[in-house]
Amino acid sequence: GAVVSQHPSRVICKSGTSVKIECRSLDFQATTMFWYRQFPKQSLMLMATSNEGSKATYEQGVEKDKFLINHASLTLSTLTVTSAHPEDSSFYICSARGQGAGTEAFFGQGTRLTVV
Amino acid sequence: AQSVSQHNHHVILSEAASLELGCNYSYGGTVNLFWYVQYPGQHLQLLLKYFSGDPLVKGIKGFEAEFIKSKFSFNLRKPSVQWSDTAEYFCAASGTGFQKLVFGTGTRLLVSP
Repeated sequence: GAVVSQHPSRVICKSGTSVKIECRSLDFQATTMFWYRQFPKQSLMLMATSNEGSKATYEQGVEKDKFLINHASLTLSTLTVTSAHPEDSSFYICSARGQGAGTEAFFGQGTRLTVV
Repeated sequence: AQSVSQHNHHVILSEAASLELGCNYSYGGTVNLFWYVQYPGQHLQLLLKYFSGDPLVKGIKGFEAEFIKSKFSFNLRKPSVQWSDTAEYFCAASGTGFQKLVFGTGTRLLVSP
C-alpha cells in the first residue's frame, strides 16, 4: 500500500514551547489529510480534517489556535502544537487519502509528544 | 451521534484458536465499515473494509468480517490465529465518500505460542 511518513516519531518539549509534526505522503497525492489524537487505552479521536489548499475543519472541542494545521501541498501537512502544556502530551497520528471516491486512507506511524 | 463500540478490550488466545472480535456501530445513513490492525511499533494498517454488496468481507492474512445490518454489527473473525496476529485491532466507520473515520476503542489481542 501507499506510504505515509510522520516525523518525528517522538518528541519531548518544554512547557510553553511549540512543536511541529510533519505528515508526508511519499508515493501518492494526498488531497485530504486527517489528524488524530490517541490517549492511553483510548480510541483515536479525530482532531481535524484538512484539504490541500484550504483551511482545516476542526472537530468540536479542538482549539484551532492551539493546534495549527497547514496543508500547503498535496504531499505535506503539518500540525503545530502551540504553547504546549503537559496535558497536550499524547500520541498524534495523521492519515492521508488520495483522489477518488472510496479511496483508502493510509496512516502514519504516529508521534509521541511529551511536554515536560 | 456517530459511534463505534468494541466490546472486548483485551483478548488472550492460544495459537490455532478461533477469533471473533465484536464491533457495533451507530451511524445515520449509509455506512462504510473498516477493521484496522496495529502491530507493536507499527502504524495502522487496513485489514478489510465493507462498502456495499456481499456482507461477508474477506481481508488480508485470513481475516474476514460480516456486516449484519439488523444488528448494526461488523464482527471480525479468523478461524485459526497465529502468534504473529498479536496486535491491537480497531473497528471504524465512516459515511459514504470516505468521510472522516470514527474509531472504536480498540481490542488488544495477545496470542500465546
